[in-house]
Amino acid sequence: DSGVTQTPKHLITATGQRVTLRCSPRSGDLSVYWYQQSLDQGLQFLIQYYNGEERAKGNILERFSAQQFPDLHSELNLSSLELGDSALYFCASSQEFPGPGVVGANVLTFGAGSRLTVL
Amino acid sequence: AQSVTQPDIHITVSEGASLELRCNYSYGATPYLFWYVQSPGQGLQLLLKYFSGDTLVQGIKGFEAEFKRSQSSFNLRKPSVHWSDAAEYFCAVGARGSNYKLTFGKGTLLTVNP
Repeated sequence: DSGVTQTPKHLITATGQRVTLRCSPRSGDLSVYWYQQSLDQGLQFLIQYYNGEERAKGNILERFSAQQFPDLHSELNLSSLELGDSALYFCASSQEFPGPGVVGANVLTFGAGSRLTVL
Repeated sequence: AQSVTQPDIHITVSEGASLELRCNYSYGATPYLFWYVQSPGQGLQLLLKYFSGDTLVQGIKGFEAEFKRSQSSFNLRKPSVHWSDAAEYFCAVGARGSNYKLTFGKGTLLTVNP
């Protein structure tokens, strides 16, 4: 158990629908990252939050949005789902945000993932 | 922008044989480098990391990796593979600075024959 909890583990839905994936970071971690893993694209960085604020954005579609709540859990909302959105969605957390002056790099701890199937 | 190339999509080795998984990165400065392993149905587990200093780093499960700046490589090695090492292995690079994220390679699937 990595300490990063993701729910649900599996989700099957239809095109056009909306789903919410939830992530609870490891105790003490302030940063949350979302990644999408698909066969054709591999692991793609979507978005990062630090202590409730968005810090970095990757290849996240406009149909997708995320937020981090005061208790530090995060949700990834996927709407107007398409077949191509079927993927494994990972959440990761880390202790610090490596801003200017922070010497060390973050080590990301990953959850087990949420597998989304869009039919 | 940083990028990672893992040239081998699939590697098969016999149990007890040595292993080397290749990783090449592209980044304008010295990066942070990582190897993660993903077993079927599982999340990604950190094997080892390189931040600075000694270019040969030791990780969990008997794995090691060597950072070679001149070759922009960070290859993963294990002297004797066990059947339980069968999994997918991902190399990742993290950029130094405020806009931090990990960029992953496409992964190498390792099959271990008895």
